[in-house]
Amino acid sequence: EIVLTQSPGTLSLSPGERATLSCRASQSVTSTYFAWYQQKPGQAPRLLIYSASRRATGTPDRFSGSGSGTDFTLTISRLEPEDFAVYYCQQYGSSPETFGQGTKVEIK
Amino acid sequence: QVQLQESGPGHVKPSETLSLTCTVSGGSATGYYWSWIRQPPGKGLEWIGNVHYSGRSNYNPSLKSRVTISVDTSKNQFSLRLTSVTAADTAVYYCVSIPDYWGQGTLVTVSS
Repeated sequence: EIVLTQSPGTLSLSPGERATLSCRASQSVTSTYFAWYQQKPGQAPRLLIYSASRRATGTPDRFSGSGSGTDFTLTISRLEPEDFAVYYCQQYGSSPETFGQGTKVEIK
Repeated sequence: QVQLQESGPGHVKPSETLSLTCTVSGGSATGYYWSWIRQPPGKGLEWIGNVHYSGRSNYNPSLKSRVTISVDTSKNQFSLRLTSVTAADTAVYYCVSIPDYWGQGTLVTVSS
C-alpha cells in the first residue's frame, strides 16, 4: 500500500499569502493518477488538480500542482477567503487507492 | 455532466449489513470504474473499493472480507454492501467516479 503523508497538518496564513502544501509518497506514484482535492465543511471533496499538475475544470489559476515520483506539491499563489479549507492528495494508480491525511489551511 | 446520488438507510444496527446504492445520471455506467469512499466524522478519506462496468472489482484489504461492490449497468447503478458493521463504520459514504465526479455523500450511523 502506498502511504501518502501530507505536511504540514495545519497551515495558518492570511488572505493574499502564498500557501505551499506537500504530499510525500512511501513509494513512487504514477503522476497520471495523482490528484488534489479541496473539501469544505459539510461538502464533498472537489477535484482541483489531476495528473499531478493539470487544473480541473473551474479550478482558478492561482492553484498549481507540481511534482513526480514521491514528492508532490500544491501551491496557492495568493489565498482568497474561499480557499480556507482542507486539502487532500490522492493516488489512484495503485490498489489500494490511498489518500493523504489532509492539510487544513486556516485563517491566521 | 455526470451526477451521482447515494441512497440507502441512514442508520444500521451493529452486526447488521450496510447497503447503499449509487445512481448515475447524465452519463453511462459503462466504461468507468465506480468507487465508494468513506469519511468518519471529523476524519480523513478512506477508499473502500471500486467496480468496473464489466463487474470486476477491487477492494481495500482492510475491508475486503466484509465488502461487496457490484454494478447494474441496465439501471445505471452501482452498490455497496458492508457486512458485520460496528460503530467504527459510522461515516459519510460517497460514491465517486475518481477523480472527477462525487456524490454529495450520505451519513450512515451504526448504533443500537
